[in-house]
Amino acid sequence: GQGVEQPAKLMSVEGTFARVNCTYSTSGFNGLSWYQQREGQAPVFLSYVVLDGLKDSGHFSTFLSRSNGYSYLLLTELQIKDSASYLCAVRDQQGGRALIFGTGTTVSVSP
Amino acid sequence: GPKVLQIPSHQIIDMGQMVTLNCDPVSNHLYFYWYKQILGQQMEFLVNFYNGKVMEKSKLFKDQFSVERPDGSYFTLKIQPTALEDSAVYFCASSLGTGGAGEQYFGPGTRLTVL
Repeated sequence: GQGVEQPAKLMSVEGTFARVNCTYSTSGFNGLSWYQQREGQAPVFLSYVVLDGLKDSGHFSTFLSRSNGYSYLLLTELQIKDSASYLCAVRDQQGGRALIFGTGTTVSVSP
Repeated sequence: GPKVLQIPSHQIIDMGQMVTLNCDPVSNHLYFYWYKQILGQQMEFLVNFYNGKVMEKSKLFKDQFSVERPDGSYFTLKIQPTALEDSAVYFCASSLGTGGAGEQYFGPGTRLTVL
């Protein structure tokens, strides 16, 4: 079927890293976005990828493999404040702008 | 960064009543969206709106739903009449809509409870 899948939870330690995985199966592909969302707040845009490979944005990096329907968000030098939900969203239609969201991964960073 | 505002933050109404959710998008944005999120589930696309028209809508955008942005003011989602299954958080988003970038700016959501 068509959908976007993410693990529900991920725990990591301050100063290390966390990799949030996302797999998708859609009828088409027109880019993948990552958002950060805190409880009761608006999702905040982090990154958009449409070509294969790693995109380094400093604290956040994103990887995409279109042939495998796979992406990950890599958070490095983790801080306590990085604890949040991270949402993966795919645009499946050329020229379409609707986003198909995963359920989000709750990342918990401990001291 | 640019902010999208949503009014009200919470709304409680009785089933069968009408409700209007208001969104104040980023001022120079051209595309507007509504998404629905039921507690514990993923956010789901409802509709997007451009140049005064609905461009795309999902199966969740029932006949009881309508959107408009009269005279460049609030972008609204109206549900008439409401049903119990309409209880959810509704997120508004806007984007410039140029090029392929997927950057949609989201509001904080309106929590709708239908009794």
